[in-house]
Amino acid sequence: KAGVTQTPRYLIKTRGQQVTLSCSPISGHRSVSWYQQTPGQGLQFLFEYFSETQRNKGNFPGRFSGRQFSNSRSEMNVSTLELGDSALYLCASSLSTDITDTQYFGPGTRLTVL
Amino acid sequence: AQSVTQPDIHITVSEGASLELRCNYSYGATPYLFWYVQSPGQGLQLLLKYFSGDTLVQGIKGFEAEFKRSQSSFNLRKPSVHWSDAAEYFCAVGAVRHSGGSNYKLTFGKGTLLTVNP
Repeated sequence: KAGVTQTPRYLIKTRGQQVTLSCSPISGHRSVSWYQQTPGQGLQFLFEYFSETQRNKGNFPGRFSGRQFSNSRSEMNVSTLELGDSALYLCASSLSTDITDTQYFGPGTRLTVL
Repeated sequence: AQSVTQPDIHITVSEGASLELRCNYSYGATPYLFWYVQSPGQGLQLLLKYFSGDTLVQGIKGFEAEFKRSQSSFNLRKPSVHWSDAAEYFCAVGAVRHSGGSNYKLTFGKGTLLTVNP
C-alpha cells in the first residue's frame, strides 16, 4: 500500500508570495493533519481535516489555510509569505479522527522563503 | 494546555549500549502518549503509543516505553542500540477535545537527536 505522498518535496519562494502544498493520504484514510517543523519551534500542529471539513486548528495566523477534497487529498496554502515561514511542512493521514488511529506521516515539503 | 519536555537535546551512545530517552508531559487528563522517530530527510514514523492498560509498552524496532503517572514521564528505552537507530526521536501527547477519543491534536517535544558511535 502506498504511503502518504507530498508534493512538491522542495520549494523556494520569495517574501510576499503565496504557496500551495499538496498531500495525498494513504488509500482509505479520511483524516489529514498538517504540521510545521522548524529548528526553533519544533513540530507544531496546523490543522486537521476530515470529510472535507476542518475539525481542529492550531495557533497559526489566518495566512495559513487548507482544504480537503472529496477523495481525501488535502492542500494547504500560505499567503503573503514571511521569512519565518521557512520550514518543513509535514502531512499525516489516519483512518479517522480517533486518537487511537495511527497517524502516518509523509516525507514533508521543505519550503524556503527568501 | 498540554506540553512535552524532552530534557536531552542530543545523546551519544556506543553501538550495543543501552539507551533511555526521557520524556515528561503536562496534561490535565489521562494522557495519550506517543514516541516517533525521524530519520534525515524523512517524515515521522510511530514507534509506540500508550492509551491505557499495561504501563510498559512494546514498540517496533525493539523499543519499549514505560508510563509513570506519578512522575509524568514516558521514557523510551532500548537494551542494545544499533547504528541504524541514529535519528531524531520525538515524544508527543495527544489532547482530546471531545469524549470518545475524537478530534485531537498532537503536541510534540523538541526532540532528542541520537548519535550512535561504532
